Amino acid sequence: EPEVTQTPSHQVTQMGQEVILRCVPISNHLYFYWYRQILGQKVEFLVSFYNNEISEKSEIFDDQFSVERPDGSNFTLKIRSTKLEDSAMYFCASTLTGGTDYEQYFGPGTRLTVT
Amino acid sequence: AQKITQTQPGMFVQEKEAVTLDCTYDTSDQSYGLFWYKQPSSGEMIFLIYQGSYDEQNATEGRYSLNFQKARKSANLVISASQLGDSAMYFCAMRSTDSSYKLIFGSGTRLLVRP
Repeated sequence: EPEVTQTPSHQVTQMGQEVILRCVPISNHLYFYWYRQILGQKVEFLVSFYNNEISEKSEIFDDQFSVERPDGSNFTLKIRSTKLEDSAMYFCASTLTGGTDYEQYFGPGTRLTVT
Repeated sequence: AQKITQTQPGMFVQEKEAVTLDCTYDTSDQSYGLFWYKQPSSGEMIFLIYQGSYDEQNATEGRYSLNFQKARKSANLVISASQLGDSAMYFCAMRSTDSSYKLIFGSGTRLLVRP
């Protein structure tokens, strides 16, 4: 069964450093997402990406964040200058197409620890 | 605005018994999708079951069923014959109908299955 993959599984970085989280969505999917889950809290939407551009971003997704789909397969989330409060699990997800009845497939997550 | 509410932060159930996890939602849209995800301690998000707003039958997937009461705006997850491996965090989510089709999550319910 096709799956979304994410690398690395765990990243430790120092405050102020840049990090890039990588995702490979399912190959024929068209909508891509990043979500964040601070430890013990609910999953929060960060950004959605469709047709090579951001379709929606949340308040959390400020100028420190950016996303890219540099080739036909990878989807990356960059945090330019990490803060302590960026420590969280970051999930990538993809879905085949729009509409409310399509499952979003989640990757296993990247746990980001900012020290 | 769309919202998902899960009022049970934690639940216990005896192995082999059934358990119901509550979820209520708020939306003014006529067409929407409701999802349940399981998050074990390892952290990944596992899709369990989906219910479309126009589906007349309650969704079922193996031991999981969704008790969908549209007039009450509730979409409770029923797990029958609980197993120790069902111990996890469970999230109810709604697919938004804006152009991003992002998922909006509830705060989750932690289920512990007792032997």
